[in-house]
Amino acid sequence: AQSVTQPDIHITVSEGASLELRCNYSYGATPYLFWYVQSPGQGLQLLLKYFSGDTLVQGIKGFEAEFKRSQSSFNLRKPSVHWSDAAEYFCAVGGDTGTASKLTFGTGTRLQVTL
Amino acid sequence: DSGVTQTPKHLITATGQRVTLRCSPRSGDLSVYWYQQSLDQGLQFLIQYYNGEERAKGNILERFSAQQFPDLHSELNLSSLELGDSALYFCASSVKAGGRRAQYFGPGTRLLVL
Repeated sequence: AQSVTQPDIHITVSEGASLELRCNYSYGATPYLFWYVQSPGQGLQLLLKYFSGDTLVQGIKGFEAEFKRSQSSFNLRKPSVHWSDAAEYFCAVGGDTGTASKLTFGTGTRLQVTL
Repeated sequence: DSGVTQTPKHLITATGQRVTLRCSPRSGDLSVYWYQQSLDQGLQFLIQYYNGEERAKGNILERFSAQQFPDLHSELNLSSLELGDSALYFCASSVKAGGRRAQYFGPGTRLLVL
């Protein structure tokens, strides 16, 4: 069974500081990995995705994530956080099962940004 | 704006009732997914349709059903509603059905069962 662990429920950073959100996954085959962001009362916006190839992937809004197979991790990073980044962040794993696919999400990390 | 639309945005109903949630995928997307987000269960996959056919089922209750129509929009039907069904229901779509596709989410329908 596939699963995702986001060990940090809540993180607070100062505006301008760097950010790293942790994500560990469990998946029996080659995983496809995603980060989504959810602002209060909003839907989920895709930040970035990893399917294969370069293990460092760039996303929108200045975010990047690094896939580390040996550590089963896909941590999200941003060098300088802006106040507008305050939101909840979800890591998700999926896989190639022919024409069927589903995403399994972590429990999310709520990011608070202090000015 | 992901291009996925969901209606209604909010729904308030009573226990025992039946509701229908509607989703229109992004233009060109053939696959539709339904997810439920609740405080106690988090984000959970319910069901996937591809070009009108059911492809995968997750933790979907028997009281819930879905379908995808020829114009590719999808409806999620929730019946005999219970208080615990109160949640945010998301629809997502992707171009094709395989896992190597990003899923784009709609804004969700917030269901409150009183």
